[in-house]
Amino acid sequence: GAVVSQHPSRVICKSGTSVKIECRSLDFQATTMFWYRQFPKQSLMLMATSNEGSKATYEQGVEKDKFLINHASLTLSTLTVTSAHPEDSSFYICSARSGGGALTGELFFGEGSRLTVL
Amino acid sequence: EDQVTQSPEALRLQEGESSSLNCSYTVSGLRGLFWYRQDPGKGPEFLFTLYSAGEEKEKERLKATLTKKESFLHITAPKPEDSATYLCAVQAGTNFNKFYFGSGTKLNVKP
Repeated sequence: GAVVSQHPSRVICKSGTSVKIECRSLDFQATTMFWYRQFPKQSLMLMATSNEGSKATYEQGVEKDKFLINHASLTLSTLTVTSAHPEDSSFYICSARSGGGALTGELFFGEGSRLTVL
Repeated sequence: EDQVTQSPEALRLQEGESSSLNCSYTVSGLRGLFWYRQDPGKGPEFLFTLYSAGEEKEKERLKATLTKKESFLHITAPKPEDSATYLCAVQAGTNFNKFYFGSGTKLNVKP
């Protein structure tokens, strides 16, 4: 299957600082990437859909000024958590959809990033 | 309302004890159904895609099947290393970026 790389896998930061997480599709071009948040023992919660070269679409209840998403190329999307607070501590996962403009196409996931805000 | 339901929430098996996980869905315009395996602290790992009723896919001890209402992930003679959470997701409708996720089945295989 296709490979999606996410970095860093773990990050600890102080309250009030900003943290950037990168998501790269290594062997395919991803027009669309997705960012999820996962709480312990729960399924994935979609935060936003990121399209290359355009603004991200955020799910209801997700603060777009807090979770900045940039999808500047067909292989890279970034999520920046701004002015992080302890309640932002979570497991963040990205995924990329293969298949380009096709109507089907699997989602491939990154390894996830564990954010801890002190 | 489009939704995906997985059962059971948790399943404990003895090594070698075969069983099945269920993913039932109510969506309009199914485009594909996907199975993933997720280990603790990791992102989901892609297993299978099924596109139409009657389709089956196999990989080692896993076999996925699809009907018009549900999908099964059959695990034959499981080993402890098969322990993980198994997620299913459905792509449906006119928005091909829309995926509906089930809440997962946590499988624990005891030696």
